[in-house]
Amino acid sequence: GENVEQHPSTLSVQEGDSAVIKCTYSDSASNYFPWYKQELGKRPQLIIDIRSNVGEKKDQRIAVTLNKTAKHFSLHITETQPEDSAVYFCAAPRRSGGYNKLIFGAGTRLAVHP
Amino acid sequence: GAVVSQHPSWVICKSGTSVKIECRSLDFQATTMFWYRQFPKQSLMLMATSNEGSKATYEQGVEKDKFLINHASLTLSTLTVTSAHPEDSSFYICSAPNTGELFFGEGSRLTVL
Repeated sequence: GENVEQHPSTLSVQEGDSAVIKCTYSDSASNYFPWYKQELGKRPQLIIDIRSNVGEKKDQRIAVTLNKTAKHFSLHITETQPEDSAVYFCAAPRRSGGYNKLIFGAGTRLAVHP
Repeated sequence: GAVVSQHPSWVICKSGTSVKIECRSLDFQATTMFWYRQFPKQSLMLMATSNEGSKATYEQGVEKDKFLINHASLTLSTLTVTSAHPEDSSFYICSAPNTGELFFGEGSRLTVL
């Protein structure tokens, strides 16, 4: 089944700097890679996703890159702001019984210091 | 986007009692829903897949007799934690897929005393 590994577990940056979080997956058939942001005590919120037919996707300060050969994908946040502080999770699908289940990475706690 | 609502948002119960958590898709139909559990400072761990009209499928290590799942309609799935114990205290989150995206409920924080 799908195994998702995420690094680093914690990341501390100064406001305005960039932050990069990396994930690897094991199933070469996986074709959808979302990133979620979770604030304390709240539900995960999808911030960006990428499908396997493209190598990069950007949405304002957030971008995701995908390397299918190496089976890894990364989240890039530029010009970080204090409100970017949260836990970020990557995920990849594990196909089972005709549908895809999302398997999550361990999470990265991002702290952006003013 | 689609809306998934979960109730209750938090519950406190005594050890040995059962607790039911509801998950509803408000503006779309969901033949499949997923239940996750999240312990403090940890990731979301998939517990089971709820299927409308058939039995739920459970992930390895999840006791089906302890975590009862019923997918009563195309918009409602329930998770019942039976004979709850303090180690069952956690954040339980449901989710449902719609148009290729997974939408999460608000989560239910269970505390077992």
